[in-house]
Amino acid sequence: DVKVTQSSRYLVKRTGEKVFLECVQDMDHENMFWYRQDPGLGLRLIYFSYDVKMKEKGDIPEGYSVSREKKERFSLILESASTNQTSMYLCASSIPGREQFFGPGTRLTVL
Amino acid sequence: DAKTTQPTSMDCAEGRAANLPCNHSTISGNEYVYWYRQIHSQGPQYIIHGLKNNETNEMASLIITEDRKSSTLILPHATLRDTAVYYCIVRVADTGNQFYFGTGTSLTVIP
Repeated sequence: DVKVTQSSRYLVKRTGEKVFLECVQDMDHENMFWYRQDPGLGLRLIYFSYDVKMKEKGDIPEGYSVSREKKERFSLILESASTNQTSMYLCASSIPGREQFFGPGTRLTVL
Repeated sequence: DAKTTQPTSMDCAEGRAANLPCNHSTISGNEYVYWYRQIHSQGPQYIIHGLKNNETNEMASLIITEDRKSSTLILPHATLRDTAVYYCIVRVADTGNQFYFGTGTSLTVIP
């Protein structure tokens, strides 16, 4: 089975802190994705990557950056966390064009 | 990607079949129907997908009408653990990026 793991299930940070969310997949998938999920807004794509060191902006990249130095790992970085970045963050991976497999999510609270 | 319409919520008795409908009247010939579900506070879980023919796997069956304008996800013997939000998504299979999750159907399995 595909396994996508995320570094934390719950995280509490203060405004202005730099936050790293890590995602690792074990199925050698080329594509990896970061979404955030908010009540009433569904899942929104922040960034995705289709290869090592490659990244593409999604629908809401502002305030975020990403890093993909190894194929299995995709990191989401909040350079200076703000309260409006309090959300559930979901990582996913896939073979190009195929179904995406999601991690368990990280619920981030920014105080 | 074509838009989908699902009922907001449904109930199903434990042990009975759960039939979740989805309308996608503007679906194109090269768009697949995907189903995911999300159990509270977890990441979305891939269930099944199909193009024209009915599909079955260990989790569910997918019935697509001949005109492809609607489909039904069937959970043959619903259990309490099937209580979740179910998302129907229409997407061209060979696109590399995101799935657009709408608001889905909240299924409650009743003991």
